Amino acid sequence: DAGITQSPRHKVTETGTPVTLRCHQTENHRYMYWYRQDPGHGLRLIHYSYGVKDTDKGEVSDGYSVSRSKTEDFLLTLESATSSQTSVYFCAISESWVGDLRNEQFFGPGTRLTVL
Amino acid sequence: GNSVTQMEGPVTLSEEAFLTINCTYTATGYPSLFWYVQYPGEGLQLLLKATKADDKGSNKGFEATYRKETTSFHLEKGSVQVSDSAVYFCALNSNTGGFKTIFGAGTRLFVKA
Repeated sequence: DAGITQSPRHKVTETGTPVTLRCHQTENHRYMYWYRQDPGHGLRLIHYSYGVKDTDKGEVSDGYSVSRSKTEDFLLTLESATSSQTSVYFCAISESWVGDLRNEQFFGPGTRLTVL
Repeated sequence: GNSVTQMEGPVTLSEEAFLTINCTYTATGYPSLFWYVQYPGEGLQLLLKATKADDKGSNKGFEATYRKETTSFHLEKGSVQVSDSAVYFCALNSNTGGFKTIFGAGTRLFVKA
């Protein structure tokens, strides 16, 4: 199994509070991704990183920011959590860029976030 | 834009039954196609993939054939087991229309003993 951990695994928070989710990898993969999983939507990309300090937005980036100060860590921050951000969040990593059609991603175990 | 459509679930089968989960896609260019599986409480893991038309991906008794003429990548297994109970996601990678992986909504499979 690819070495990907996410923390925390479960979190309950209140509307308006800041939340940071952490993804840590031991595979030294260049590319890292944050997705959210919601019923009926599959996985949707929030943000991704193509190197240390290099990040870009995905399709559902509003209300989220990310940072990557080290190869192994990719942080997702909800500056002011809202109930619509209640979801399961998955981190993924890959050796190659998704524009390389052979690209496959390895996923962490997920973080279940509830915003009350 | 690119999209993936897969059959709605849940799909409930008895052990040893034949499984088909339908997946169709819309994409410009020549995408790669994937099936990922998510077991309860876990992240997704790659089940199989195909990178060009007429390729067949296979793994753990599952298989899917990349059909460009019908834009499909249906997942099949001849005899399912209780341990196959999971959510299955069809996905595509394309280098046109934006560089990202597009996932289908997922199909939950329940296999009864």
